[in-house]
Amino acid sequence: SYELTQPPSMSVSPGQTASITCSGYKLGDKYVCWYQQKPGQSPVLVIYQDVKRPPGIPERFSGSNSGKTATLTISGTQAMDEADYYCQAWDRSTAVFGGGTTLSVL
Amino acid sequence: EVQLLESGGGLVQPGGSLRLSCAASGFNFRTYAVNWVRQAPGKGLEWVSGFSDGGVTTHYAESVEGRFTISRDTSNNTVYLQMNSLRAEDTAIYYCAKDVLRGSQSAFDIWGQGTKVTVSS
Repeated sequence: SYELTQPPSMSVSPGQTASITCSGYKLGDKYVCWYQQKPGQSPVLVIYQDVKRPPGIPERFSGSNSGKTATLTISGTQAMDEADYYCQAWDRSTAVFGGGTTLSVL
Repeated sequence: EVQLLESGGGLVQPGGSLRLSCAASGFNFRTYAVNWVRQAPGKGLEWVSGFSDGGVTTHYAESVEGRFTISRDTSNNTVYLQMNSLRAEDTAIYYCAKDVLRGSQSAFDIWGQGTKVTVSS
Protein backbone atom coordinates (compact mmCIF):
# COMPACT_ATOMS: atom_id res chain seq x y z
CA SER A 1 0.00 0.00 0.00
CA TYR A 2 1.04 3.57 -0.63
CA GLU A 3 2.77 5.42 2.20
CA LEU A 4 3.46 9.07 2.99
CA THR A 5 6.27 9.89 5.39
CA GLN A 6 6.50 13.02 7.54
CA PRO A 7 8.92 13.97 10.30
CA PRO A 8 7.18 13.36 13.66
CA SER A 9 8.04 16.75 15.05
CA MET A 10 9.81 20.01 14.42
CA SER A 11 10.20 23.34 16.08
CA VAL A 12 10.49 26.90 14.81
CA SER A 13 10.98 30.30 16.38
CA PRO A 14 8.23 32.88 16.06
CA GLY A 15 8.62 34.90 12.88
CA GLN A 16 10.79 32.29 11.18
CA THR A 17 9.88 29.96 8.32
CA ALA A 18 8.73 26.41 8.96
CA SER A 19 9.02 23.82 6.19
CA ILE A 20 7.22 20.53 6.77
CA THR A 21 7.99 17.74 4.31
CA CYS A 22 5.98 14.80 3.09
CA SER A 23 7.57 12.11 0.97
CA GLY A 24 6.21 9.26 -1.08
CA TYR A 25 6.89 7.29 -4.23
CA LYS A 26 6.40 9.57 -7.28
CA LEU A 27 4.45 11.95 -5.05
CA GLY A 28 5.00 14.74 -7.57
CA ASP A 29 2.65 12.90 -9.92
CA LYS A 30 -0.19 13.25 -7.45
CA TYR A 31 -2.01 16.19 -5.91
CA VAL A 32 -1.14 16.77 -2.26
CA CYS A 33 -3.14 18.59 0.37
CA TRP A 34 -2.34 19.63 3.93
CA TYR A 35 -4.40 19.81 7.11
CA GLN A 36 -3.84 21.62 10.38
CA GLN A 37 -5.23 20.10 13.55
CA LYS A 38 -5.14 21.69 16.98
CA PRO A 39 -5.81 19.69 20.17
CA GLY A 40 -9.44 18.72 20.59
CA GLN A 41 -10.45 20.21 17.23
CA SER A 42 -11.35 18.83 13.81
CA PRO A 43 -8.75 19.14 11.04
CA VAL A 44 -8.69 22.26 8.88
CA LEU A 45 -7.67 22.21 5.21
CA VAL A 46 -4.84 24.71 4.62
CA ILE A 47 -3.52 23.69 1.17
CA TYR A 48 -5.05 21.61 -1.64
CA GLN A 49 -3.94 20.65 -5.14
CA ASP A 50 -0.35 21.23 -4.04
CA VAL A 51 -0.50 25.04 -3.92
CA LYS A 52 -4.07 26.32 -3.51
CA ARG A 53 -5.30 27.98 -0.31
CA PRO A 54 -8.95 27.66 0.72
CA PRO A 55 -10.77 30.87 1.60
CA GLY A 56 -9.74 32.22 4.97
CA ILE A 57 -6.32 30.57 5.09
CA PRO A 58 -3.56 33.15 5.62
CA GLU A 59 -1.09 33.84 2.81
CA ARG A 60 1.78 32.73 5.03
CA PHE A 61 0.75 29.14 4.24
CA SER A 62 2.08 27.84 0.92
CA GLY A 63 2.77 24.50 -0.68
CA SER A 64 4.91 22.83 -3.30
CA ASN A 65 5.24 19.32 -4.71
CA SER A 66 7.90 17.83 -6.95
CA GLY A 67 9.64 14.52 -7.38
CA LYS A 68 9.06 12.51 -4.25
CA THR A 69 8.57 15.36 -1.80
CA ALA A 70 5.79 17.82 -1.02
CA THR A 71 6.44 20.72 1.31
CA LEU A 72 4.18 22.89 3.42
CA THR A 73 5.83 26.23 4.14
CA ILE A 74 4.69 28.59 6.85
CA SER A 75 6.34 31.99 6.51
CA GLY A 76 6.51 34.30 9.51
CA THR A 77 5.28 31.53 11.80
CA GLN A 78 3.02 32.66 14.60
CA ALA A 79 2.25 31.09 17.96
CA MET A 80 -1.24 30.22 16.69
CA ASP A 81 0.34 27.97 14.05
CA GLU A 82 1.43 25.48 16.70
CA ALA A 83 -0.47 22.33 15.74
CA ASP A 84 -0.29 18.92 14.09
CA TYR A 85 0.01 18.98 10.31
CA TYR A 86 -0.97 16.12 8.01
CA CYS A 87 -0.31 15.66 4.31
CA GLN A 88 -2.72 13.63 2.20
CA ALA A 89 -2.84 12.26 -1.33
CA TRP A 90 -4.96 9.81 -3.29
CA ASP A 91 -3.72 6.45 -4.52
CA ARG A 92 -6.06 4.28 -6.57
CA SER A 93 -9.23 5.80 -5.15
CA THR A 94 -8.12 5.58 -1.54
CA ALA A 95 -6.98 8.57 0.49
CA VAL A 96 -3.64 8.24 2.22
CA PHE A 97 -2.52 10.43 5.12
CA GLY A 98 0.98 11.01 6.33
CA GLY A 99 1.70 10.20 9.95
CA GLY A 100 1.57 13.85 10.94
CA THR A 101 4.10 16.43 12.11
CA THR A 102 3.79 18.23 15.42
CA LEU A 103 4.97 21.81 14.94
CA SER A 104 6.14 23.62 18.04
CA VAL A 105 6.58 27.38 17.96
CA LEU A 106 9.17 28.18 20.61
CA GLU B 1 -23.60 27.71 6.23
CA VAL B 2 -21.96 24.49 5.04
CA GLN B 3 -22.10 21.99 7.85
CA LEU B 4 -21.65 18.30 8.66
CA LEU B 5 -23.01 16.76 11.83
CA GLU B 6 -22.10 13.24 12.90
CA SER B 7 -24.05 11.07 15.30
CA GLY B 8 -24.38 7.45 16.33
CA GLY B 9 -21.13 6.86 18.18
CA GLY B 10 -20.93 5.06 21.50
CA LEU B 11 -19.62 2.06 23.41
CA VAL B 12 -19.95 -1.34 21.73
CA GLN B 13 -18.57 -4.78 22.52
CA PRO B 14 -16.06 -6.49 20.22
CA GLY B 15 -17.91 -8.19 17.39
CA GLY B 16 -20.81 -5.78 17.66
CA SER B 17 -22.26 -3.31 15.18
CA LEU B 18 -22.89 0.42 15.05
CA ARG B 19 -24.28 2.79 12.42
CA LEU B 20 -22.91 6.30 12.17
CA SER B 21 -24.80 9.13 10.48
CA CYS B 22 -23.52 12.33 8.90
CA ALA B 23 -26.15 14.99 8.24
CA ALA B 24 -25.09 17.50 5.59
CA SER B 25 -26.44 20.99 5.05
CA GLY B 26 -25.59 24.11 3.09
CA PHE B 27 -24.27 22.47 -0.09
CA ASN B 28 -25.45 20.35 -2.99
CA PHE B 29 -25.25 16.91 -1.48
CA ARG B 30 -25.48 15.18 -4.86
CA THR B 31 -22.49 17.10 -6.24
CA TYR B 32 -19.87 16.80 -3.53
CA ALA B 33 -18.68 13.50 -2.11
CA VAL B 34 -18.57 12.90 1.62
CA ASN B 35 -15.98 10.61 3.17
CA TRP B 36 -15.34 9.08 6.59
CA VAL B 37 -12.00 9.62 8.33
CA ARG B 38 -11.09 8.33 11.79
CA GLN B 39 -8.52 9.13 14.44
CA ALA B 40 -7.59 6.65 17.14
CA PRO B 41 -6.69 8.09 20.55
CA GLY B 42 -3.37 9.91 20.34
CA LYS B 43 -2.85 8.81 16.73
CA GLY B 44 -3.00 10.32 13.27
CA LEU B 45 -5.75 10.56 10.69
CA GLU B 46 -6.87 7.45 8.79
CA TRP B 47 -9.21 7.54 5.81
CA VAL B 48 -11.97 4.94 6.16
CA SER B 49 -14.36 5.17 3.25
CA GLY B 50 -15.79 7.41 0.56
CA PHE B 51 -17.53 7.73 -2.79
CA SER B 52 -16.44 8.50 -6.33
CA ASP B 53 -18.18 8.82 -9.69
CA GLY B 54 -20.82 11.12 -8.25
CA GLY B 55 -21.68 8.73 -5.48
CA VAL B 56 -22.00 5.62 -7.61
CA THR B 57 -18.81 3.86 -6.53
CA THR B 58 -17.76 3.18 -2.95
CA HIS B 59 -14.23 2.73 -1.65
CA TYR B 60 -12.81 1.41 1.59
CA ALA B 61 -9.54 1.24 3.46
CA GLU B 62 -8.07 -2.25 3.63
CA SER B 63 -8.51 -2.22 7.39
CA VAL B 64 -12.31 -2.03 7.15
CA GLU B 65 -13.03 -3.70 3.79
CA GLY B 66 -15.77 -6.31 4.18
CA ARG B 67 -16.83 -5.04 7.62
CA PHE B 68 -17.91 -1.46 6.98
CA THR B 69 -20.44 -0.19 4.43
CA ILE B 70 -20.90 3.41 3.35
CA SER B 71 -24.20 4.58 1.93
CA ARG B 72 -26.11 7.78 1.40
CA ASP B 73 -29.69 8.98 1.33
CA THR B 74 -30.04 11.94 -1.00
CA SER B 75 -33.60 12.57 0.16
CA ASN B 76 -32.38 13.66 3.59
CA ASN B 77 -28.77 14.64 2.78
CA THR B 78 -27.28 12.01 5.05
CA VAL B 79 -24.29 9.68 4.69
CA TYR B 80 -24.12 6.54 6.78
CA LEU B 81 -21.35 4.22 7.88
CA GLN B 82 -22.53 0.78 8.91
CA MET B 83 -19.82 -0.84 11.00
CA ASN B 84 -19.99 -4.58 11.67
CA SER B 85 -17.64 -7.06 13.36
CA LEU B 86 -16.08 -4.23 15.33
CA ARG B 87 -12.65 -4.65 16.86
CA ALA B 88 -10.77 -2.85 19.60
CA GLU B 89 -8.59 -1.22 16.94
CA ASP B 90 -11.69 0.47 15.47
CA THR B 91 -11.85 2.65 18.58
CA ALA B 92 -11.54 6.23 17.33
CA ILE B 93 -13.22 9.52 16.69
CA TYR B 94 -15.00 9.23 13.36
CA TYR B 95 -15.27 12.34 11.23
CA CYS B 96 -17.22 12.87 8.06
CA ALA B 97 -15.59 15.25 5.62
CA LYS B 98 -16.67 16.86 2.36
CA ASP B 99 -14.64 17.01 -0.85
CA VAL B 100 -13.62 20.53 -1.80
CA LEU B 101 -14.10 19.92 -5.54
CA ARG B 102 -17.21 18.70 -7.30
CA GLY B 103 -17.36 15.13 -8.49
CA SER B 104 -13.80 14.15 -7.72
CA GLN B 105 -11.62 12.83 -4.96
CA SER B 106 -9.76 15.94 -3.96
CA ALA B 107 -9.29 17.30 -0.45
CA PHE B 108 -11.60 17.64 2.52
CA ASP B 109 -12.59 21.25 3.14
CA ILE B 110 -15.44 20.79 5.61
CA TRP B 111 -15.26 18.42 8.58
CA GLY B 112 -17.80 17.51 11.19
CA GLN B 113 -17.07 17.70 14.89
CA GLY B 114 -16.64 13.92 15.08
CA THR B 115 -18.40 11.12 16.91
CA LYS B 116 -16.57 8.84 19.32
CA VAL B 117 -16.65 5.07 18.92
CA THR B 118 -15.29 2.84 21.67
CA VAL B 119 -15.02 -0.91 21.16
CA SER B 120 -14.50 -2.62 24.49
CA SER B 121 -15.91 -5.38 26.63
